[in-house]
Amino acid sequence: DIQMTQSPSSVSASVGDRVTITCRASQGISSWLAWYQQKPGKAPKLLISAASSLQSGVPSRFSGSGSGTEFTLTISSLQPDDFATYYCQQANSLPPTFGPGTKVDFK
Amino acid sequence: QVQLQESGPGLVKPSETLSLTCSVSGGSISNYFWSWIRQPPGKGPEWIGYIYYGGSANYNPSLKSRVTISADTSKKQFSLKLTSVTAADTAVYYCARRAVAGNIFDYWGQGTLVTVSS
Repeated sequence: DIQMTQSPSSVSASVGDRVTITCRASQGISSWLAWYQQKPGKAPKLLISAASSLQSGVPSRFSGSGSGTEFTLTISSLQPDDFATYYCQQANSLPPTFGPGTKVDFK
Repeated sequence: QVQLQESGPGLVKPSETLSLTCSVSGGSISNYFWSWIRQPPGKGPEWIGYIYYGGSANYNPSLKSRVTISADTSKKQFSLKLTSVTAADTAVYYCARRAVAGNIFDYWGQGTLVTVSS
């Protein structure tokens, strides 16, 4: 299985801050990487596919980049609705595997 | 808008079989893969497996010996059976649709907590 790691595990930030989350894969996955947002008690919501392709309806302050083994999710100006946990997931091979998550909370 | 809804017991005894059903509404079940994903408390999600509407299934090797996913296209439902459960199987179980683009998941149910305890 491809192992996914994320850093940091948590980040404290304020509204308006720029937040960057890193995801690493244990082997190359080209651009087969997705990002999800999860709020407490809710299902994950798909934000980005193919490393950088924003899903319909997702605000443009979210962006993704990277390929191979290292990827980033950036929130350019954190909004109150963005406080949540973010997961990366590799879609290169079965089984699909998720990272352990990065929690973004209030500073 | 596709909607998914999980149903089934919230409490299962150790060594017994966990059974859940997912009902799909608002869209076709055809031409998609339908997945089960679970998330233990405080951890990341874990893919359990998926089934194509035509009946072929793929499972996570870590669970393959205990998992069966089946589909009833006439009812627009698919189901999960996980045998010989232990406390380690306690999790929120989600059903989800695999996107056309590949092994990512674009529609999810709300999730149902299943606790394994005597």
